[in-house]
Amino acid sequence: KAGVTQTPRYLIKTRGQQVTLSCSPISGHRSVSWYQQTPGQGLQFLFEYFSETQRNKGNFPGRFSGRQFSNSRSEMNVSTLELGDSALYLCASSLVGQGSYNEQFFGPGTRLTVL
Amino acid sequence: SQQGEEDPQALSIQEGENATMNCSYKTSINNLQWYRQNSGRGLVHLILIRSNEREKHSGRLRVTLDTSKKSSSLLITASRAADTASYFCANSGNTPLVFGKGTRLSVIA
Repeated sequence: KAGVTQTPRYLIKTRGQQVTLSCSPISGHRSVSWYQQTPGQGLQFLFEYFSETQRNKGNFPGRFSGRQFSNSRSEMNVSTLELGDSALYLCASSLVGQGSYNEQFFGPGTRLTVL
Repeated sequence: SQQGEEDPQALSIQEGENATMNCSYKTSINNLQWYRQNSGRGLVHLILIRSNEREKHSGRLRVTLDTSKKSSSLLITASRAADTASYFCANSGNTPLVFGKGTRLSVIA
């Protein structure tokens, strides 16, 4: 079974631009979660999508948004980029979503650099 | 903050030695998961310990959980150079995973 894939792997943008990141979950997984990882803040939860519906949302501004398609693939969008948005963005999929016993399978991440 | 605190932040040991890292939360722990991350890459699930368990083993890994102290520890025995990575604990319940800040382990051959 193919793992979680994320595209692109690396991205360089300038302040004020917007960016779209893509995540393809493991086949059969219906939940996709997004995380931002920075040296200062560590791993921060952005949001979770399950069956095309946003089920949970972290404490991020409205510039961060996402969606999930009927094939469970997910995209996240960041508008009006700021320098502080430079981070590794990780996507994780699981069978039934966030929860006590649900292992999250992570993709390799997209490294976003904002100049 | 619900974020976990891991201790130590960095650890350097010789191959063959044991490595112990700890994780604590200010909020109650439901079930605790441990993940490993190789440099700048995705996380890999290592082990889950349920809130009603005190100790769990998986290969060279031993995890303990003390819900009264809101803390967990991960022991890696007979470490190898390939164990060099960052290790994260994650508090899991019915809400999204809340990760600790990680322990960076370096195993020197």
